[in-house]
Amino acid sequence: GAVVSQHPSWVICKSGTSVKIECRSLDFQATTMFWYRQFPKQSLMLMATSNEGSKATYEQGVEKDKFLINHASLTLSTLTVTSAHPEDSSFYICSARDLQGLFGYTFGSGTRLTVV
Amino acid sequence: AQSVTQLDSHVSVSEGTPVLLRCNYSSSYSPSLFWYVQHPNKGLQLLLKYTSAATLVKGINGFEAEFKKSETSFHLTKPSAHMSDAAEYFCVVSREYGNKLVFGAGTILRVKS
Repeated sequence: GAVVSQHPSWVICKSGTSVKIECRSLDFQATTMFWYRQFPKQSLMLMATSNEGSKATYEQGVEKDKFLINHASLTLSTLTVTSAHPEDSSFYICSARDLQGLFGYTFGSGTRLTVV
Repeated sequence: AQSVTQLDSHVSVSEGTPVLLRCNYSSSYSPSLFWYVQHPNKGLQLLLKYTSAATLVKGINGFEAEFKKSETSFHLTKPSAHMSDAAEYFCVVSREYGNKLVFGAGTILRVKS
């Protein structure tokens, strides 16, 4: 079946630094990737949608200059949290889908970000 | 616009008894509906999906859900709960394939021995 690998699974960083999270589709071409944020005991909130080779579309209220998304290839998308602050601490999850819809929406295992 | 309401934030059942997780949806179009399961600090795993084919959808691990248009419901059921079913479950709607997913608030299932 389709697999999406998300790395790292957890990361601790200092305030003011940047953190990059990678999301890779291992056995299919991910034409669209989605990035979600999940606060403790809450549901997933879509942050942005990215199509390969295009700029990401951000949801209302999400700062595109703070959460940089790159989807340069059909198997890799990255989310960079720039100048991280403690309020950015959260669980981030990516999801990918292929153009034909053969594999549906496949989710990564998530990244726990803690900013200290 | 699409929306999803999961009617219970927590459900507790005894091992071996039936599971019912309730979900109501709102959609202006024929929706695609999904149930996902999430174990602590893990990603999401697809249990089953409805995409306008059979109204009774069978998923993995013995779960199934029935799409009832008249009731705008898509409840998730399992005849006999197992300890490993303890997790959080999300009901999700998409207007049509390829569009973004809208998540319900989630239902935490607890299974007592």
